[in-house]
Amino acid sequence: AQKITQTQPGMFVQEKEAVTLDCTYDTSDQSYGLFWYKQPSSGEMIFLIYQGSYDEQNATEGRYSLNFQKARKSANLVISASQLGDSAMYFCAMRETNFGNEKLTFGTGTRLTIIP
Amino acid sequence: DAGITQSPRYKITETGRQVTLMCHQTWSHSYMFWYRQDLGHGLRLIYYSAAADITDKGEVPDGYVVSRSKTENFPLTLESATRSQTSVYFCASSDYRDFEETQYFGPGTRLLVL
Repeated sequence: AQKITQTQPGMFVQEKEAVTLDCTYDTSDQSYGLFWYKQPSSGEMIFLIYQGSYDEQNATEGRYSLNFQKARKSANLVISASQLGDSAMYFCAMRETNFGNEKLTFGTGTRLTIIP
Repeated sequence: DAGITQSPRYKITETGRQVTLMCHQTWSHSYMFWYRQDLGHGLRLIYYSAAADITDKGEVPDGYVVSRSKTENFPLTLESATRSQTSVYFCASSDYRDFEETQYFGPGTRLLVL
């Protein structure tokens, strides 16, 4: 079974609109972390936001917020007031607490295109 | 501050040749990772290392060899390159002092195996 599922291969969104990128995960751990990364066309991986499984509040970083629904195992990224520079691939990733096993598991990504 | 660097950035090789991709980080991070990125698969872990002289397999280790004699370097070797190893390779590092600490990625190496 996929540990991280991103069901939207591509999305087109009008500039200035909000956008939600979906991510569901599968783990039996009680303690885990969820990350979102942005990969622009230049190729680098840019860390955006983190949510811990025990965090009671949704994480926010500027225009980015994470809609964390633990019971549904969902960690959707919300980008408010989208900009042309938001066009990129977005990856959701999970870190599970197998101590000494500090790996990230990535989803297949969503390509977001912002339309002027 | 150099951060994490990869070399070469682009490489073309032929089937059967040995290729080594270099990764260097200046933060003295304990953990280092190698991923490959292919369309439709996201990033998949090849090998990782928790410290110098400690390495372990990831999801897709076949055909690859790693070593880590120094904390700052983590080379990835394709012993006999195959066309299926054409990919973008990312090196990453992290200290994991805090659980929420991210991995920091290098710029990537684009490898084409003919």
